[in-house]
Amino acid sequence: GENVEQHPSTLSVQEGDSAVIKCTYSDSASNYFPWYKQELGKGPQLIIDIRSNVGEKKDQRIAVTLNKTAKHFSLHITETQPEDSAVYFCAASRGPDEKLTFGTGTRLTIIP
Amino acid sequence: DTGVSQNPRHKITKRGQNVTFRCDPISEHNRLYWYRQTLGQGPEFLTYFQNEAQLEKSRLLSDRFSAERPKGSFSTLEIQRTEQGDSAMYLCASSLVLAGDGEQFFGPGTRLTVL
Repeated sequence: GENVEQHPSTLSVQEGDSAVIKCTYSDSASNYFPWYKQELGKGPQLIIDIRSNVGEKKDQRIAVTLNKTAKHFSLHITETQPEDSAVYFCAASRGPDEKLTFGTGTRLTIIP
Repeated sequence: DTGVSQNPRHKITKRGQNVTFRCDPISEHNRLYWYRQTLGQGPEFLTYFQNEAQLEKSRLLSDRFSAERPKGSFSTLEIQRTEQGDSAMYLCASSLVLAGDGEQFFGPGTRLTVL
């Protein structure tokens, strides 16, 4: 089955700086890679996703890159703000409607 | 609010008791998923439904667990003879699958504590 590894487990950055979270996956059949943000007491919320036919996708301050050859993908958050503080999860699957395999999460703290 | 709803939000039970959780998906979403999340970990897939049909079950879903989705709307997850290892957050998600597309929207979860 699929295995997703995520690093780092914790990340602290100064407000306004950039944050990068990296994930690797094992199943070459995976072609859908979403990123979820989870705040305390809430369920995961999809913030951005990328499919295997695309190398990079950007949505305002958030961008995701995918390297299918190396089987890794990354989340980039620029101009970080206090409200970006949360736990972020990467995931992989064979399609957006297929079962997701999640990484272990990154606790991001933005220091004012 | 038209998001995924789950009830109850919290459940405390004694070991050996049975518990049942309910998930109401986003209206007209045809696929419904159950995941389990333990402290400090990412969600783990348990099972999913396409309308009322249960399409896949994880090996994590022991015979003490049963899920149903009668009439293809809400779903229930029952755990029989609960064990302390069942303590976790149980998350439900739903999606609208059209031509193989459909991102998953998660509910707030039900936190189960087994004493």
